[in-house]
Amino acid sequence: DIQMTQSPSTLSASVGDRVNITCRASQSISGWLAWYQQKPGKAPKLLIYKASNLESGVPSRFSGRGSGTEFTLTISSLQPDDFATYCCQQYDSSPITFGQGTRLEIK
Amino acid sequence: EMQLVESGGGLVQPGGSLRLSCAASGFTFSSYAINWVRQAPGKGLEWVSYISSGSSTYYADSVKGRFTISRDNAENSLFLQMNSLGVEDTAVYYCARAYYDNNVVPSDVWGKGTTVTVSS
Repeated sequence: DIQMTQSPSTLSASVGDRVNITCRASQSISGWLAWYQQKPGKAPKLLIYKASNLESGVPSRFSGRGSGTEFTLTISSLQPDDFATYCCQQYDSSPITFGQGTRLEIK
Repeated sequence: EMQLVESGGGLVQPGGSLRLSCAASGFTFSSYAINWVRQAPGKGLEWVSYISSGSSTYYADSVKGRFTISRDNAENSLFLQMNSLGVEDTAVYYCARAYYDNNVVPSDVWGKGTTVTVSS
């Protein structure tokens, strides 16, 4: 199975900050990577697919880049609603696997 | 509004069984593949099982032979029969619509989850 490793595990930031979250795959997954946002008690939300494609309805302050084994999710200017946990998912090969999550908290 | 709502979670003893349900609304359920994904306390998401629109099924090695996924398109419902449960199956279980009919794709619609606790 392909292992997905995110860093950092926790990130403290303020409203208006630009933040980057990194996801590394244990082998090349081309661009077959998705990013999700999770909030307690809520349904996970798909933000980005195929590494850099913004899902419909997702604010443009979210962006993704990368290919191969290293990927980055960027939030350009943090809003209060963005404090949540973010996780990556590879869908290059079965089984699909997820990163352990990055908790974005208010500084 | 597209929606998935899970139910059926609860407390069960090791070795016991539980049947989870997922009710879909707001989209043509029969046209979509659906996944079950779980999240153990303090852990990341883990894919559990997949069923295509045509009812082809796939399972994670950790649940193969113990869990059975099925669907009732007439009732817009998805099920997960879980047998021989162990403490390692304790998790929040989500149903999640596959972006398209393939077992290696993202999920674009998720439920809020139902909690399964396996404990004596």
